[in-house]
Amino acid sequence: DAGVIQSPRHEVTEMGQEVTLRCKPISGHNSLFWYRQTMMRGLELLIYFNNNVPIDDSGMPEDRFSAKMPNASFSTLKIQPSEPRDSAVYFCASSPRTDTNTEAFFGQGTRLTVV
Amino acid sequence: ELKVEQNPLFLSMQEGKNYTIYCNYSTTSDRLYWYRQDPGKSLESLFVLLSNGAVKQEGRLMASLDTKARLSTLHITAAVHDLSATYFCAVESFNTDKLIFGTGTRLQVFP
Repeated sequence: DAGVIQSPRHEVTEMGQEVTLRCKPISGHNSLFWYRQTMMRGLELLIYFNNNVPIDDSGMPEDRFSAKMPNASFSTLKIQPSEPRDSAVYFCASSPRTDTNTEAFFGQGTRLTVV
Repeated sequence: ELKVEQNPLFLSMQEGKNYTIYCNYSTTSDRLYWYRQDPGKSLESLFVLLSNGAVKQEGRLMASLDTKARLSTLHITAAVHDLSATYFCAVESFNTDKLIFGTGTRLQVFP
């Protein structure tokens, strides 16, 4: 398996533009997490899904952020409109969530810069 | 609300020395994970601790979990330069899948 795949790896956009980050979890994993990493705030959990259903989105900072998981193999995180303070590395992670295997595997991340 | 704290935040240590990183969490949990992150890279899973008293070892790293004390430790034995990285603990909120990360410990090993 290729692991968790995120795209794009890098994104530079102007303030006010819409940004869409994409994630393909590991096949067979039923939990998916979106995290944001910054120097100031560390790793923040934004939202997580279980069996494609959003379970907890309390970490989503504002209404400008939205996430979807239309099927088991794809998720998106959208920021509209983007602002400079959204600049960060966004990680997607997936987990099989069995009784014996709950480990979360991370993608390579998307480095977002909003200018 | 689950909170996870690590200390120290920064650790500079000489090769060959031993040290321990601590991870405290605020609410009941019996699942804890340790990750490593190299600069500019993703997070790599190191250890999965799923019960009270669990101990895992890999090379110069050993992790343990005390669920009663809500404490995990990552012990480094005879540090080498290759261990230089940021180490995170992550705790799973009880009865949910919510995985909350600690602040991270940036480790630098020098000759």
